Amino acid sequence: GQNIDQPTEMTATEGAIVQINCTYQTSGFNGLFWYQQHAGEAPTFLSYNVLDGLEEKGRFSSFLSRSKGYSYLLLKELQMKDSASYLCAGVDSNYQLIWGAGTKLIIKP
Amino acid sequence: GAVVSQHPSRVICKSGTSVKIECRSLDFQATTMFWYRQFPKQSLMLMATSNEGSKATYEQGVEKDKFLINHASLTLSTLTVTSAHPEDSSFYICSARLPGLEYEQYFGPGTRLTVT
Repeated sequence: GQNIDQPTEMTATEGAIVQINCTYQTSGFNGLFWYQQHAGEAPTFLSYNVLDGLEEKGRFSSFLSRSKGYSYLLLKELQMKDSASYLCAGVDSNYQLIWGAGTKLIIKP
Repeated sequence: GAVVSQHPSRVICKSGTSVKIECRSLDFQATTMFWYRQFPKQSLMLMATSNEGSKATYEQGVEKDKFLINHASLTLSTLTVTSAHPEDSSFYICSARLPGLEYEQYFGPGTRLTVT
């Protein structure tokens, strides 16, 4: 079956760095998304990885290892506004998004 | 570019009534739109895939007769929750796929439905 695993909740301190891991099992693989979702709002796009390696976008970076079925989202210089849920989604062979349950990130001052 | 809107953003209805939610792609034509439901503290659950001019494809466990989807044009898909019950209260989100891009989806802002 298809499955996306990520931690339920993480806590970090303002100004620090946090890494949110995601492991995936999909029927075929056409990439992996990371979305940010604030409470009561729709998800917003953060990153898309289809090739192995690290992609950096400002304070956020995303990494993919296809051989390990593993990805992580790295958030640097954490700000209070980064408190949100972070959703990992794999793209299967039918280009369907397989969603993880999301990781709730709590930022403390 | 790639903006998706939803209307209404919030709706409260009485049990037994029907509610229609609209999803529009504002600056592009979307041949495929998706409808998701999200309960509190849970992830997105795909309800159905809506293709313009054809019948929607529903995920297992989603009642076709209860959640009516119409994708009548390249910029509009509607979800009608018929005979709503309190357990249908949820956050409904639509997304649209850009033509030619098989993987990327753009999300609408969501509709909070409360059935009393």
